[in-house]
Amino acid sequence: DTGVSQNPRHKITKRGQNVTFRCDPISEHNRLYWYRQTLGQGPEFLTYFQNEAQLEKSRLLSDRFSAERPKGSFSTLEIQRTEQGDSAMYLCATSFFPPLTGELFFGEGSRLTVL
Amino acid sequence: AQTVTQSQPEMSVQEAETVTLSCTYDTSESDYYLFWYKQPPSRQMILVIRQEAYKQQNATENRFSVNFQKAAKSFSLKISDSQLGDAAMYFCAYRANSGYALNFGKGTSLLVTP
Repeated sequence: DTGVSQNPRHKITKRGQNVTFRCDPISEHNRLYWYRQTLGQGPEFLTYFQNEAQLEKSRLLSDRFSAERPKGSFSTLEIQRTEQGDSAMYLCATSFFPPLTGELFFGEGSRLTVL
Repeated sequence: AQTVTQSQPEMSVQEAETVTLSCTYDTSESDYYLFWYKQPPSRQMILVIRQEAYKQQNATENRFSVNFQKAAKSFSLKISDSQLGDAAMYFCAYRANSGYALNFGKGTSLLVTP
């Protein structure tokens, strides 16, 4: 297990379509985070899980966004009825909890382009 | 809410020289972590250095060191002997010990020239 894996790396879709991103964490990490990063900005927190429980989701950008982590391993982030403003990089990060160091380990991200 | 401010959108340094990236943050917490992350073009974000707020000693990692001024809420990153591979976006981040997410600044783009 070499790190956090995200798929697909790039997704181009038409406005109104649904998209789903997958994140496979470092296996021993029990916390998983989703962030969004737009051009010229730092990552913006969306939601996080501890094992299979979604502990914070109020920062998801709208009700078109949802995330799951059904068995406490991989996670998916779904965006329904995509809009051009959803174009961004979606980052997954994982960590231990309690935090040994507080550090998050990031994947390479999934870049979404909505036409 | 905690905010992280990076006032330098872009910085440039010559190879082998030293550069300092600035970061300030706002918080009412007393126990927290501060981080500098590096994001090379089209590659994943990786941790450069970490500072626990309760530690007075500034963290160092090889060529990377920080100047942590808790009272001033300042956390700058110094890169010594800059290398071409240091070129990247650098993000300052904060997390309260009681919190769950990292809050990031907008980043500083570092260019390293030969």
